[in-house]
Amino acid sequence: AQSVTQPDIHITVSEGASLELRCNYSYGATPYLFWYVQSPGQGLQLLLKYFSGDTLVQGIKGFEAEFKRSQSSFNLRKPSVHWSDAAEYFCSVAAGGFQKLVFGTGTRLLVSP
Amino acid sequence: NAGVMQNPRHLVRRRGQEARLRCSPMKGHSHVYWYRQLPEEGLKFMVYLQKENIIDESGMPKERFSAEFPKEGPSILRIQQVVRGDSAAYFCASSPPSAGGRTDTQYFGPGTRLTVL
Repeated sequence: AQSVTQPDIHITVSEGASLELRCNYSYGATPYLFWYVQSPGQGLQLLLKYFSGDTLVQGIKGFEAEFKRSQSSFNLRKPSVHWSDAAEYFCSVAAGGFQKLVFGTGTRLLVSP
Repeated sequence: NAGVMQNPRHLVRRRGQEARLRCSPMKGHSHVYWYRQLPEEGLKFMVYLQKENIIDESGMPKERFSAEFPKEGPSILRIQQVVRGDSAAYFCASSPPSAGGRTDTQYFGPGTRLTVL
């Protein structure tokens, strides 16, 4: 069965520092991978997605993610974090031909001044 | 282009009552998905619907929960005889069909936060 692991429950980063959020997936076929962000009390906003092609994908708000098949990973990065990036980040893999998304448990990002 | 709409945003019910959650997909989207997020957890898939059809309900509890997406109007997630354990955020997502009939990226609504007293 498909699964997604986000090993870091909380991460604290200083404003202006770089960020990397880890995501590992388990899926037998070519994965379709997504990163979503959820601000408190809000819905999920799509940051970026990987379907095929270039393994480094660019998203909104200055985020990028790199797909590494050999490591079954799809880590999210940002070179310089802003205070407004504080939120919960979810990695997900599409299963069953896109008919359902399997989510990780999320990583809560805190940004310190 | 309006996004996915959900209402109500907050819903309070007493144990034993019924809860009805509504979702209007984005314009041009014909696929609707419902997910549940329990406190401090990720989202869990519940059901996938197209107009007038339930395609995959593998994540739906066997009792008390039902979903529909009629030809006209919003999708409805219905929970009968709610219990405290039903307290959660319920998110709806929609997607357009991509080429070949396969679905595409899902876009989420703001969610309905259900509290059962």
